[in-house]
Amino acid sequence: DTGVSQDPRHKITKRGQNVTFRCDPISEHNRLYWYRQTLGQGPEFLTYFQNEAQLEKSRLLSDRFSAERPKGSFSTLEIQRTEQGDSAMYLCASSLDGKSYNEQFFGPGTRLTVL
Amino acid sequence: QKEVEQDPGPLSVPEGAIVSLNCTYSNSAFQYFMWYRQYSRKGPELLMYTYSSGNKEDGRFTAQVDKSSKYISLFIRDSQPSDSATYLCAMSEGGGADGLTFGKGTHLIIQP
Repeated sequence: DTGVSQDPRHKITKRGQNVTFRCDPISEHNRLYWYRQTLGQGPEFLTYFQNEAQLEKSRLLSDRFSAERPKGSFSTLEIQRTEQGDSAMYLCASSLDGKSYNEQFFGPGTRLTVL
Repeated sequence: QKEVEQDPGPLSVPEGAIVSLNCTYSNSAFQYFMWYRQYSRKGPELLMYTYSSGNKEDGRFTAQVDKSSKYISLFIRDSQPSDSATYLCAMSEGGGADGLTFGKGTHLIIQP
């Protein structure tokens, strides 16, 4: 399977714990995006990378959230001191520059439940 | 007011019917308009995208954009039970290279 993969698929944690999610983009895709989707809502943009550079961060990305893409390949999203409001599906997407339209391909998501 | 408004439904129609889904938006800088389909507990998958105003057809799907009214639509002809899913409109200022702005999604049910 050469699509976007995310790990883990499900994560249950207690309030106050730190969690880290991983995203592996489609090979050779240079852009990588993180979104958050809560029940009954559309995905909300969090941040994106072009290669290893983090180019944009949404105001939704509080200080407790940090994302990295150290070698321009996979990315991690860490949430520190989780809160119940962080419960959501965290989606990763990737795209390839070089065209007038850059289709974003989404992974299956990581579902986070904070107890 | 959110940047993109979309009726969440559910919208239930009989098999074979023509389905009309739509979104309105407020940001006149949006240039690219997309429709994604999302099955339960899966990531969204792109159905179609349109640049600026106009129509685009792909099989049973037709996308329309009216930038003067800030209104976009997706039509599904000869709807099938397998079309039952949540349909998300999404918009971008810069060719999809930036973060997308999504609507809430419309939950569509095609009754056999």
